[in-house]
Amino acid sequence: DAGITQSPRHKVTETGTPVTLRCHQTENHRYMYWYRQDPGHGLRLIHYSYGVKDTDKGEVSDGYSVSRSKTEDFLLTLESATSSQTSVYFCAISQGGGELFFGEGSRLTVL
Amino acid sequence: GIQVEQSPPDLILQEGANSTLRCNFSDSVNNLQWFHQNPWGQLINLFYIPSGTKQNGRLSATTVATERYSLLYISSSQTTDSGVYFCAGLSNSGYALNFGKGTSLLVTP
Repeated sequence: DAGITQSPRHKVTETGTPVTLRCHQTENHRYMYWYRQDPGHGLRLIHYSYGVKDTDKGEVSDGYSVSRSKTEDFLLTLESATSSQTSVYFCAISQGGGELFFGEGSRLTVL
Repeated sequence: GIQVEQSPPDLILQEGANSTLRCNFSDSVNNLQWFHQNPWGQLINLFYIPSGTKQNGRLSATTVATERYSLLYISSSQTTDSGVYFCAGLSNSGYALNFGKGTSLLVTP
């Protein structure tokens, strides 16, 4: 199994609070991704990173920011959580155009 | 990014039956993967198959890159095959896999 750890795995928070999800990998892969999964939408890309401090937006990036200060860590931040950001968040890694591997997901509920 | 269409959206099978899931792409891909999401939500890699045919036990996949589609075959289905099957593709000009909406499979005893 790919060495990908997401934390927290479950979180309940209130509207307007900041939330940070962490993805940690032990594979030394260059590319890291954050997807969200919602019923009827499949998986949609939020942000991705192609190296340390190199990040870019995906198709549903509004309301999210990311940071990657080390190869192994990719953080997703919701500055002010809204109910529409209730979702399951998946981190994924790849070695550049190659096979993508997913973490176990983080379930976020915004009340 | 590319558009990915999966069919059928839902499928119910009796244990032992065979099935074919299809994935169509709006553009050429240089990366194509099939995933199985089990009832616990885990996304499991099935195939990395930008072209050609691969087999893994009762599952096999074929991608015809020139015609922009891929097929996933499940033979002698088992209840543990239940879940959602996703395909995802990456075009030459893309930066991340684009996913279809999935095929939800239920295998009954």
